Amino acid sequence: EVQLVESGGGLVQPGGSLRLSCAASGFTFSSYEMNWVRQAPGKGLEWVSYISSSGSTIYYADSVKGRFTISRDNAKNSLYLQMNSLRAEDTAVYYCASQGDCGGDCNFDYWGQGTLVTVSS
Amino acid sequence: SYVLTQPPSVSVAPGKTARITCGGNNIGSKSVHWYQQKPGQAPVLVIYYDSDRPSGIPERFSGSNSGNTATLTISRVEAGDEADYYCQVWDSSSDHLVFGTGTKVTVL
Repeated sequence: EVQLVESGGGLVQPGGSLRLSCAASGFTFSSYEMNWVRQAPGKGLEWVSYISSSGSTIYYADSVKGRFTISRDNAKNSLYLQMNSLRAEDTAVYYCASQGDCGGDCNFDYWGQGTLVTVSS
Repeated sequence: SYVLTQPPSVSVAPGKTARITCGGNNIGSKSVHWYQQKPGQAPVLVIYYDSDRPSGIPERFSGSNSGNTATLTISRVEAGDEADYYCQVWDSSSDHLVFGTGTKVTVL
């Protein structure tokens, strides 16, 4: 059974940092492209970042570029999102989601259940 | 940046047909994927590559894409179809993935 399990969310003050993790199982993680997608309370889906299967290609949404860093460890079947200089508008449920080998131009195959990040003083 | 516009809400009676549009500049040249999201749950893929249906998704769900509009059609709507629906594309000019604004489908 395919599973994506996010962790690391919580309450953080504005300007603070947080590191999210996504543990993958049930599929060949190293063959899949990975993304972070977020959803603010009561709002729509917003793409955050993409990383290729090897980790050699990375893209970011304009709203997080320069503050967030995506990475992966294929040996540990894990995806990460380092979030720095957090703002109130970063408050959201963060999902990790996988894609096939398509350079970002395909559907998401699997989604985690999400982890909530709250940025507030 | 590339923008995808959806109607905020669509209301439909049980057994009728719901059509959800996703508007974007020359979206017909892109591959469009559709997701269903129910409250408190992760999104679920219902249509991929404009009109393909994943296994387990009822045939009542169909998709089309041409010109500046992609459409998700739900035939013979059931109460269980009540959810938010999002379209998604890849914008190769900016290397950004884009979601539509989302449509809440209400079954009357």
